[in-house]
This record gives sequence, C-alpha cells and structure tokens, in this order.
Amino acid sequence: NAGVTQTPKFRILKIGQSMTLQCAQDMNHNYMYWYRQDPGMGLKLIYYSVGAGITDKGEVPNGYNVSRSTTEDFPLRLELAAPSQTSVYFCASSYTTRGLGTGELFFGEGSRLTVL
Amino acid sequence: GQSLEQPSEVTAVEGAIVQINCTYQTSGFYGLSWYQQHDGGAPTFLSYNALDGLEETGRFSSFLSRSDSYGYLLLQELQMKDSASYFCAVRGGTYGQNFVFGPGTRLSVLP
Repeated sequence: NAGVTQTPKFRILKIGQSMTLQCAQDMNHNYMYWYRQDPGMGLKLIYYSVGAGITDKGEVPNGYNVSRSTTEDFPLRLELAAPSQTSVYFCASSYTTRGLGTGELFFGEGSRLTVL
Repeated sequence: GQSLEQPSEVTAVEGAIVQINCTYQTSGFYGLSWYQQHDGGAPTFLSYNALDGLEETGRFSSFLSRSDSYGYLLLQELQMKDSASYFCAVRGGTYGQNFVFGPGTRLSVLP
C-alpha cells in the first residue's frame, strides 16, 4: 500500500506565486489533515476534513485554502505565497468514528516549500 | 482552544530510562497520542491513551491522567536510534476530529 502520498517533495516559489500541494491516501480514511512544521518547532494544524465535501479551519489557516471532492484527495492551495509560508508541509489521514478511534495519524513524507 | 507543554530537550545515555512529560489544556478531550520524528522525516505514531493508566508497547510506555491533564512517554533500554524529537498530541474538538501537537522534546542518546 502507498499510504499517504504527497507531491511535490520540494518546491521553490517566488513571492506572490500560487501553487497546490497534492495529497492522496489509499486507505479509505475519512479524516484528512494538513500541518505545517517550521524548523525546530511542532506541527501546526492548517485545515482538516472529516469527509468529502466537508472542511474546517485549524490553528493557522490564513493564506491557505483546501477542498475535498473525494475521499482520497485533499489538496492544499497557497495563494499569493509569502516568505512566512516557507515550511515543511505534512498531510495526514486517520479513520475515526465519533468518539472512537486509535488516535493514530498516518503521515505523508512531507513537502518542503521555500518562498523567496 | 488547546495548548500543550513539553520539555524542549532531554539527554540520556544508552541503556537508561527516560520520561518525557506532557501537560495540556483543551476542551472536548478524547485522548493523548505520542509521535516520534527523526530529523528530515515524517512523524510516526507510537501510542495512544484514551483512558487513565499505562499502555505498554515494547520498550515504550505511555501514561495518562485525565484528571491532572497530564501524560508521559517512558522509553526504556535507550538505544542510539531513539535520538529523535517526540511530540505529544491531543485529540480533541467536538467529536474528536482535531489533533493538536505539542512543541516537541528533542531526545539525545549518548554512548
């Protein structure tokens, strides 16, 4: 199984450019997440989705957008890139029912984004 | 909102035992998870506590006290490969849909 797949793995953007980070999972998980991790820091939740057509903001949503048209895919859109968005982005998924679950997130390998 | 606290760094020698603490403030608490992350890698899941008490998985154990909003990860028989960052994460929100991570503890295992 591929698990959680993120593309691209590395990208350099110029200030003001836009791009989409792709995330796909093949485990039929209902919940999906986008985190960013700055050097030496913890993971900050950007957006999450509890199923196709349902998304919600996390701790740091400004400057980002998401969509969830299928169970498998959860792309993250960066509009008007800024140097503050230089970070490593992780997509994750889990299978959870209301109040139940193992508490386990499955992570992709990460996408390293630099904005110059 | 949710907030978590962990020590920033811990150092120990091979073969020793180390405990990494995590305190949290949250609403709608469902459980506490622990993750390991090596430099340049992705976080990998270690354990999850939904109820009070100790969970043991090989050399790693995790403890939770819901009344104290406190948990810890215990690593026994430390090996060099255990040098990594360790994160606690609270599962919270209205129906357990959120996972919010702590700042992480960097563990250095010395020979």
